[in-house]
This record gives sequence, C-alpha cells and structure tokens, in this order.
Amino acid sequence: QVQLQESGPGLVKPSETLSLTCAVSGYSISSGYYWGWIRQPPGKGLEWIGSIYHSGSTYYNPSLKSRVTISVDTSKNQFSLKLSSVTAADTAVYYCARSPYYYGSGSYYIDYFDYWGQGTLVTVSS
Amino acid sequence: QSALTQPASVSGSPGQSITISCTGTSSDVGSYNLVSWYQQHPGKAPKLMIYEGSKRPSGVSNRFSGSKSGNTASLTISGLQAEDEADYYCCSYAGSSSVVFGGGTKLTVL
Repeated sequence: QVQLQESGPGLVKPSETLSLTCAVSGYSISSGYYWGWIRQPPGKGLEWIGSIYHSGSTYYNPSLKSRVTISVDTSKNQFSLKLSSVTAADTAVYYCARSPYYYGSGSYYIDYFDYWGQGTLVTVSS
Repeated sequence: QSALTQPASVSGSPGQSITISCTGTSSDVGSYNLVSWYQQHPGKAPKLMIYEGSKRPSGVSNRFSGSKSGNTASLTISGLQAEDEADYYCCSYAGSSSVVFGGGTKLTVL
C-alpha cells in the first residue's frame, strides 16, 4: 500500500521560506511516476504547485514558478518543496501526491493524482 | 493558466442523479483526454474518483461516471446517497507539463 506523509513547520514568518518534505512508503520513488505538491487555502479550492519526475525533472505552476523548488532524495525515498518569500496568501493545507504518467504521441504527460498524503497546514504569520 | 470553471454548488435528493460540469479551454480540457475528478470530504484529503475522462479506479462505485464534450468535462453521480455529499474538483492536463484544477463544487444531498 502506497502511503505519503508530509512533514515540516506549521508556522512560517512572512518573507521566509516554507520547507516541506513528503516521505513515501510502499513504493520506491526511483521506480517511476511523477511526485507532486498541491495546496488548498482555508475554505478555498485546490491549486497545483508543481511536480517532479523520478529522474529529477521538475514542472511548476507558472504563477508560482519564480518561488518554487521541488527536489527528490531517492536514498531517503522522499521529495521536498521549498516556497520562498511567503506571504499570508501562502497559508494553506499542503498535500503531496503521486501521479502516474500518460504516454502518447511521443511525449509523457502528468495524468492524475492517485495517492495523497493527509495534508499539513502551514500558516504564514509573524 | 486559469482555473477550470465549475458550478459553486449543486444539490439533489437521495436516489436522483446529478451532473457537475467542468469547463476549460482548447488548451486544456479540449486538447487532452486527461481529465480527473476528486471527491473531498471536510478535513480529508481528496480522493480520486475518475481519471482519463471516464475511467474509474478500483473500488470506486459505478454510480460515478465521467464524460467530455469539447472543452467541457462532466461528472455524473447516479443514485445519490447521503455519503456522496462532499466537494468535487476536476483537474486537467494543461500543456507544457502543467496541471490545472477547477474551483470546486459543493454537492448537497437534500
């Protein structure tokens, strides 16, 4: 059974960097799939932040691209999110999730999110 | 990259059928058959209900079905049950290795 678990500080000060880690069990990250981060501000909808392929290739939401870094540590079977220069608007529940890929017309596409972590609330406040 | 458009809310009585629409553009929903749907109960993580437009993961009730026409995808729930009351989100591949979600729809079972 694939399981994902987010961890990291629940409180971050404005202008600082938010850092979260997603530990994966039941599946080896190096075996394949995309691994992504999605967030949900309180009372609002889901927003894709970005994804990383097991090889290390990264893909980011254009609206967050300048502030986001996603990395993978296959030795620890985990991947991480860093979001810089945070403001109150970055307060949200942050989820990590696994994505199978679709292969067609000679290209790979991020398909859907089949396994999710339970989510972790990060509040940006001084 | 704009969020896909969903109705804010829909409602139905037990046993009835409802449909939730998800409207995108020719750059996302209209170009790829990579639409997925998620159910989210309060305080819980989203759960995959439909992928690649109309496919159901193992364990998901066949009361849930998906379809697409042009730039609009739809999720239909038949034989509504009280446990179906939740928020529902659509999601689509949006080109250039990006993904976009819909704004979400709150389903109320009357």
